[in-house]
Amino acid sequence: KNEVEQSPQNLTAQEGEFITINCSYSVGISALHWLQQHPGGGIVSLFMLSSGKKKHGRLIATINIQEKHSSLHITASHPRDSAVYICAREMGNEKLTFGTGTRLTIIP
Amino acid sequence: EPEVTQTPSHQVTQMGQEVILRCVPISNHLYFYWYRQILGQKVEFLVSFYNNEISEKSEIFDDQFSVERPDGSNFTLKIRSTKLEDSAMYFCASSEHTAQYFGPGTRLTVL
Repeated sequence: KNEVEQSPQNLTAQEGEFITINCSYSVGISALHWLQQHPGGGIVSLFMLSSGKKKHGRLIATINIQEKHSSLHITASHPRDSAVYICAREMGNEKLTFGTGTRLTIIP
Repeated sequence: EPEVTQTPSHQVTQMGQEVILRCVPISNHLYFYWYRQILGQKVEFLVSFYNNEISEKSEIFDDQFSVERPDGSNFTLKIRSTKLEDSAMYFCASSEHTAQYFGPGTRLTVL
């Protein structure tokens, strides 16, 4: 069983829609990362959070430590948001354990 | 803005050959990592490195793999005798405390 589960695996939405991607993890963390992987393969770190909520532009990440659950939201989605979104758990300065990713496609 | 760089961006090699993948982490970072992603699969941890030694390695990181920080800036991953199943995207990452910054990756193709 993967320690980090994401849902949905694939998500297609119309431009402008509010997007939610979910992440659940089975063991404790020091931080939960949200990353974006572009079609070319490069990985960009979006958020690192250990509690509460963070916002950057149209992106919002929340985490509930007790429930071992995090969500990534995108408001007013745009075709350029199309990418694979990955959550990953971290313990201290150790390795990240990655989820399988959510492939998001925003249709104009 | 400082960034992690990796070279080459794409490496094609014959099975059995040695390859060295190079990374330049962000200059004040102390923790270094290699990850790989086989096409269509999730990113997997290979190895972490701190204070000039390996701090953790995965089952994937067998005797065919080695890492080195030969000078103050480079961090290398060597695969001694490549196998077909080593074909993947290899990502280097570095961190100062907890946030890991990723390089753009090296796509390794083993023929």
